[in-house]
Amino acid sequence: DGGITQSPKYLFRKEGQNVTLSCEQNLNHDAMYWYRQDPGQGLRLIYYSQIVNDFQKGDIAEGYSVSREKKESFPLTVTSAQKNPTAFYLCASSTDSQETQYFGPGTRLLVL
Amino acid sequence: AQTVTQSQPEMSVQEAETVTLSCTYDTSESDYYLFWYKQPPSRQMILVIRQEAYKQQNATENRFSVNFQKAAKSFSLKISDSQLGDAAMYFCACDCSTGNQFYFGTGTSLTVIP
Repeated sequence: DGGITQSPKYLFRKEGQNVTLSCEQNLNHDAMYWYRQDPGQGLRLIYYSQIVNDFQKGDIAEGYSVSREKKESFPLTVTSAQKNPTAFYLCASSTDSQETQYFGPGTRLLVL
Repeated sequence: AQTVTQSQPEMSVQEAETVTLSCTYDTSESDYYLFWYKQPPSRQMILVIRQEAYKQQNATENRFSVNFQKAAKSFSLKISDSQLGDAAMYFCACDCSTGNQFYFGTGTSLTVIP
């Protein structure tokens, strides 16, 4: 089946630790996105990529990093510089940047 | 900055009745796209409906329809014959910037009363 997968479903981070969230799609989409969702707020864009080996910062990129080495994959690293990482993280993809975005099931990140 | 406003944090509707969720947005673009997404308790974001700003006709998808008022920058979602499975958070989103970013509202939590 075509779709977007995110792993793990739950992730725990210790102080000072970097953690990486996985996002994979087999929809042959060019564009991929990472959002953060906090209670009472809408989704906020962290990073997006319109093509392999290229990505741009969104509104809240500080403390995060990404790579786009393959079309299918867009991993997000939450670095120790992100002081408040506890949130729900959603990955999305679209055929191009002005088309409907389709979302993965999300990863819940918690700080120990 | 582009903004999307959902002024109703919570709404409720009786099963089989009709409910309308409100959304307003701000943009200086003339051509853009608007979306409603549903997020059930599983937290999976599901596309409900999409509207292209250059189309005057309001989009419909089965029991879901929109009232798109371009001049007023308003994009409300009407759910007819509400079902228990419609209970969820609903987010309005706008792809209405040159930076190719979606902007999301803060969501409306819809409760369906049996």
